[in-house]
Amino acid sequence: NAGVTQTPKFQVLKTGQSMTLQCAQDMNHNSMYWYRQDPGMGLRLIYYSASEGTTDKGEVPNGYNVSRLNKREFSLRLESAAPSQTSVYFCASSSPVYNEQFFGPGTRLTVL
Amino acid sequence: LAKTTQPISMDSYEGQEVNITCSHNNIATNDYITWYQQFPSQGPRFIIQGYKTKVTNEVASLFIPADRKSSTLSLPRVSLSDTAVYYCLVGGATSGTYKYIFGTGTRLKVLA
Repeated sequence: NAGVTQTPKFQVLKTGQSMTLQCAQDMNHNSMYWYRQDPGMGLRLIYYSASEGTTDKGEVPNGYNVSRLNKREFSLRLESAAPSQTSVYFCASSSPVYNEQFFGPGTRLTVL
Repeated sequence: LAKTTQPISMDSYEGQEVNITCSHNNIATNDYITWYQQFPSQGPRFIIQGYKTKVTNEVASLFIPADRKSSTLSLPRVSLSDTAVYYCLVGGATSGTYKYIFGTGTRLKVLA
């Protein structure tokens, strides 16, 4: 099992550009999450999807959109990137039975 | 939404037992308490989870008093490789809480 995979690992954007971060899990989990982590800070929840077909806002949703494409995949889109979105983005998934979240390796995004 | 409070940082020496306490005064009846460990440049990793009393696994113990308003993660005989940030979370799908709040965590430094 690969667990949670994220692409790309690194990305540099210019202000105003758009991009989509991809996340996939092979653990048959219902719930998936997108977090951002700024230097020296804890993780902040951007969006989550409790189950296939549903998405909800987390703590910091402004400037982002998400798509739960199917049970395996959950993508995060930045429509018009801003320097304030420079961060490390983590995707996670969890089973409702065990409540344990499994995290991907992260995507380091820099917006110039 | 249950918010947690942890010490910002702790120092310890190799071979000592480390106890990190987390306060969660407004924990809901069905919420679980989960602890994660995060190394630099990696996603958080699950350590232990509990609902009440004491839980022990191969790496840690979790103590939860009867009122469940706090919890203590105990790491026996720490080594240099335990230097990391430790996060306490409350919530869980069984209580309908998918919005996990990570907070800033506790930065543990283990000294030789």
